[in-house]
Amino acid sequence: AQKVTQAQTEISVVEKEDVTLDCVYETRDTTYYLFWYKQPPSGELVFLIRRNSFDEQNEISGRYSWNFQKSTSSFNFTITASQVVDSAVYFCALSEAGNSGYSTLTFGKGTMLLVSP
Amino acid sequence: DVKVTQSSRYLVKRTGEKVFLECVQDMDHENMFWYRQDPGLGLRLIYFSYDVKMKEKGDIPEGYSVSREKKERFSLILESASTNQTSMYLCASSLGLAGAYEQFFGPGTRLTVL
Repeated sequence: AQKVTQAQTEISVVEKEDVTLDCVYETRDTTYYLFWYKQPPSGELVFLIRRNSFDEQNEISGRYSWNFQKSTSSFNFTITASQVVDSAVYFCALSEAGNSGYSTLTFGKGTMLLVSP
Repeated sequence: DVKVTQSSRYLVKRTGEKVFLECVQDMDHENMFWYRQDPGLGLRLIYFSYDVKMKEKGDIPEGYSVSREKKERFSLILESASTNQTSMYLCASSLGLAGAYEQFFGPGTRLTVL
């Protein structure tokens, strides 16, 4: 069975600090997909990134970057120069591309990030 | 932009009532999902649907049923609401099921069962 662990329940930083959110996953499949979602106080989850298991290249999008390492089964998310608007709950998720076609997402429990001015 | 809407942001019901939560998406997505979100537990999948009139159980289907009569609409039904079903309910849709497609979420319905 697949599993996603986000060990950090809550992180508090001061604006302009860099912060890394950890995500460790477990799967038996060689083909799988990893996701990060952001849930701001409004409640609606917002898709941030998708990575497939064959692409270990790190990704950077503005102040956001993602580090995917299959050797440690981790898909960590770093926010550089954090801002108050980054305050949200962040979820890591895993999906396996099963033969049946009925693969679904397994979410971690989320990390609440609080950025204070 | 994909738009997923849910019928209510907040709902208060009494124990034993039948509750309907409605979800509508406007992007012709094949797949729709219902999750519940509880503090410390993250998101857990209740049911999903990969086509009209088709449904599959998720991880926690007990006490719930679903209906998908039209492609754009996916309803979650609590046949007899109980206090342990007090939660945030999130609907999502996606173009495909095989993991390669992101899910788009609605704003959620916070249900309180008294």
